Amino acid sequence: DSGVTQTPKHLITATGQRVTLRCSPRSGDLSVYWYQQSLDQGLQFLIQYYNGEERAKGNILERFSAQQFPDLHSELNLSSLELGDSALYFCASSVGGGEGEQYFGPGTRLTVT
Amino acid sequence: ILNVEQSPQSLHVQEGDSTNFTCSFPSSNFYALHWYRWETAKSPEALFVMTLNGDEKKKGRISATLNTKEGYSYLYIKGSQPEDSATYLCAFKGGATNKLIFGTGTLLAVQP
Repeated sequence: DSGVTQTPKHLITATGQRVTLRCSPRSGDLSVYWYQQSLDQGLQFLIQYYNGEERAKGNILERFSAQQFPDLHSELNLSSLELGDSALYFCASSVGGGEGEQYFGPGTRLTVT
Repeated sequence: ILNVEQSPQSLHVQEGDSTNFTCSFPSSNFYALHWYRWETAKSPEALFVMTLNGDEKKKGRISATLNTKEGYSYLYIKGSQPEDSATYLCAFKGGATNKLIFGTGTLLAVQP
């Protein structure tokens, strides 16, 4: 158990819908990272927040957005969902702003039908 | 486009065999190289973070080396055990960004 929690574990929704994935980092970690793992691709970095501020951005679609709240938990919002958004979404956390190892949560499996 | 490549894509060994795999990454603007172990139905687990050319790190039977000038890292597993079966991922971090760029992994299967 990494200490990072993610909810929900599974999510099934229809195209065009909007969902919110939630992540709570390890106690004391200030950075939260979001990754997408699709069937035919490796782990793709989406976005990083550090202590409430956006720190780095990857190939995150405009339909996706994220935020980190004062209690350091983070939410990833996915809207106008398409079939291709079906994937495993991981959240990870680290102590600092990006130097050390990252601790991964169990992931949220999103299925868009 | 930054490319992180891992080879081989998959590896089947017998229990007790020693094995190694390779991660290739851009040799310019290097900041760090991460290794993760990812078991099926679990989440990636950090093994090593390496930052200096010539770094060698060890955790039990698993060790890693780093050559930043030529852009590669090796992961070694000595005396493989069935519980070592997993996908081993490396991830490159360049100095200009906080992004980790992951390779597609090496899938290791250890037969008892």
